[in-house]
Amino acid sequence: EDQVTQSPEALRLQEGESSSLNCSYTVSGLRGLFWYRQDPGKGPEFLFTLYSAGEEKEKERLKATLTKKESFLHITAPKPEDSATYLCAVRESWGKFQFGAGTQVVVTP
Amino acid sequence: NAGVTQTPKFQVLKTGQSMTLQCAQDMNHEYMSWYRQDPGMGLRLIHYSVGAGITDQGEVPNGYNVSRSTTEDFPLRLLSAAPSQTSVYFCASSARDKSLYGYTFGSGTRLTVV
Repeated sequence: EDQVTQSPEALRLQEGESSSLNCSYTVSGLRGLFWYRQDPGKGPEFLFTLYSAGEEKEKERLKATLTKKESFLHITAPKPEDSATYLCAVRESWGKFQFGAGTQVVVTP
Repeated sequence: NAGVTQTPKFQVLKTGQSMTLQCAQDMNHEYMSWYRQDPGMGLRLIHYSVGAGITDQGEVPNGYNVSRSTTEDFPLRLLSAAPSQTSVYFCASSARDKSLYGYTFGSGTRLTVV
C-alpha cells in the first residue's frame, strides 16, 4: 500500500529564515507527486507536480525537488504570507491520490 | 468561474440523522473525489469517480454513499450520522487530460455530529 509521510509536523520560522519540508513516499510506481498549500478554513490549493527523480519546480519563494524516495519543498527567505499548511500527495491511479498529514508552517515577522 | 462549489459550509447533525453534502463543478472535469480531513490525519479519500456513472471506494467509505449521474455533480450521502463522522469534508475535481495540474478543491463543509 502506498504511504506518504511528511516531516516535520510543524515549523516555526523567522521572516527570511530559509528551511525545507520533507515528503517521503513508498509507491509501487510513481505517477506524480503533488504539493498543495492550505490556508485555515480553506481547501488545498495546487502548487506543483513532479514526475521524475531530479525534477525541480519553482514558484516565487518555493522550490520543490524530487528524488526516488522523497520530495523536498524549500522555502527561501519566507514572508509571513507563506504561513500555511503544506500538503504533499502521490497519485495512486487516475483520479485517486493519497495525501500526507501536512506540515504547518508559521512565519513570524 | 465558480470552480468547485460545496454546500452547506457548516452543518450540525444529531446521531442517526441522514443528510447529503452537495458538490458541483463547472469545469467539465471527469474526475471528482470526496475527502475528509481530521486533525493530524491529513486528507483521507472516501469515494471517487472517474466519470458520470462510475464511482469507486476510497480508504474510508463506510457510512457514506455516492452517485454520479452527471459530470457536474457528485453528492455525498451520510446514511446514519455518527459522532466519528465529525470532520471537514472536501470535494475536489480534476480534468483527465490535465491531471498533471492536480485537484481543484472546494472550500469544504464542516460537519459536527452530536
